[in-house]
Parts: sequence; structure tokens; C-alpha cells
Amino acid sequence: EIVMTQSPSTLSVSPGERATLSCRASQSVSSNLAWYQQKPGQPPRLLIYAASTRATGFPARFSATGSGTEFTLTISSLQSEDFAVYYCQQYNNWPRTFGQGTKLEGK
Amino acid sequence: EVQLVESGGGLVKPGGSLRLSCAPSGFVFSSYSFNWVRQAPGKGLEWVSLISTYSVYIKYADPLKGRFTISRDDAKNSLYLQMNNLRAEDTAVYYCVRGGYCTTSNCYSSPWSSFDIWGQGTMVTVSA
Repeated sequence: EIVMTQSPSTLSVSPGERATLSCRASQSVSSNLAWYQQKPGQPPRLLIYAASTRATGFPARFSATGSGTEFTLTISSLQSEDFAVYYCQQYNNWPRTFGQGTKLEGK
Repeated sequence: EVQLVESGGGLVKPGGSLRLSCAPSGFVFSSYSFNWVRQAPGKGLEWVSLISTYSVYIKYADPLKGRFTISRDDAKNSLYLQMNNLRAEDTAVYYCVRGGYCTTSNCYSSPWSSFDIWGQGTMVTVSA
């Protein structure tokens, strides 16, 4: 099983600042990596797929890079609606696995 | 509107069974792979199972093999998860999730897709 490790677990950032979230896979997942955003009481929402492609409905302030085992999600200028939990997930191997999540909170 | 609606959750005693259902709308159900993903209260996401188009691929999280069964009925536009011998640790919100992604011009699906559409979830509580 591929273990996905996200860091940090919690990130406190002020609105307007940049946030950088990391995700590491225990073995290569190529570019088969997705990011999801989950707000309280809501299901997750696909944010990024194929490691760097933004899903429909998300603005350009969200960007992502990486391949193999190291991945990064960047939010360039945080808005209040961006505070949420972010999960990375690999869909290269079975079982599909998620990171434990990074909670992005306002400072 | 593209959406998935789960049903069938509830309170069940340990050792009992439940059958979850998922009803899609706004897209062609038979063209997509589907997954079940669960989330225990206050915890992260755990992938449960996948079924591809035509049920060619069926996959389970190893700890759930033998207790959970995923199936689909394309004629009824429905996805199912049969859960047997339920345990307290199965308590979670269960999400029906489409496997795929959409560009500005088209949508795609395979067993090797991200999870692009999520239902609101149905709560399963296993308790005596």
C-alpha cells in the first residue's frame, strides 16, 4: 500500500498570503495524484488532477506541481473561502490512498 | 445538474448488514467508473471500493474484502454497496464518487481516474 504523507497537518495563514501544502508518496505514483478540498459539513471536491491540472470551477490562484513522490499545492493569495481541509490522493496503485489532510486555517 | 444521491444508511447493530444505493443524475451512468469512499467522524478519507464500466474491474480495500460487495445496475442507473458483518469501526459517512474528470470539451472515465463528482454521503452507524 502506498502511504501518502501530507505536511503540515495544520497551516495558519492570513488572507492575502500564500499557502504551500506538501504531499509525499512512499513510492512513485507518476502523475496520478489528485488534490481535494473539503469544507465542514460538505463532501470533498476535486481541485487538482493529474498532479497539476486544475478542475473546473477553481480559480487560477490554485496551482500544483510534482511527479513521482513529491507534490505541492500552492494557493497564491488566500481568500476566506479557501480555508478548508485539503487532501492528496494517489490513483496509480491499488488500494487508492489519501493523505491524512492539511487543515488550512486563518491566522 | 450532475449529482449523486446516496441512500440506505442508518443505525445497525454489530454483525448486521446494510445495502447502500447511489442514484446519479445529469450524466450517462453507464459510461463511468464509480467508487465508494468513507469518512469516519472527525477523520480523513478512506477509499472502500471501485467498480468500472461493465463491472470489468472490481477492487476493494483489503480489510473490507469478503464483507463488502460493490455492484451496479446500468439498466436502473444505480450503484450499490452491500455491507455485511458490520463492525463499530465501519461507522462513517459513505460517499458515492464518480471516477473521472472533465475538460472544457469532454468528460473521461477509467479505473485510473481521479474522483470528480461526490455525493453528499449517507451516514452508517454501527452500535449496539
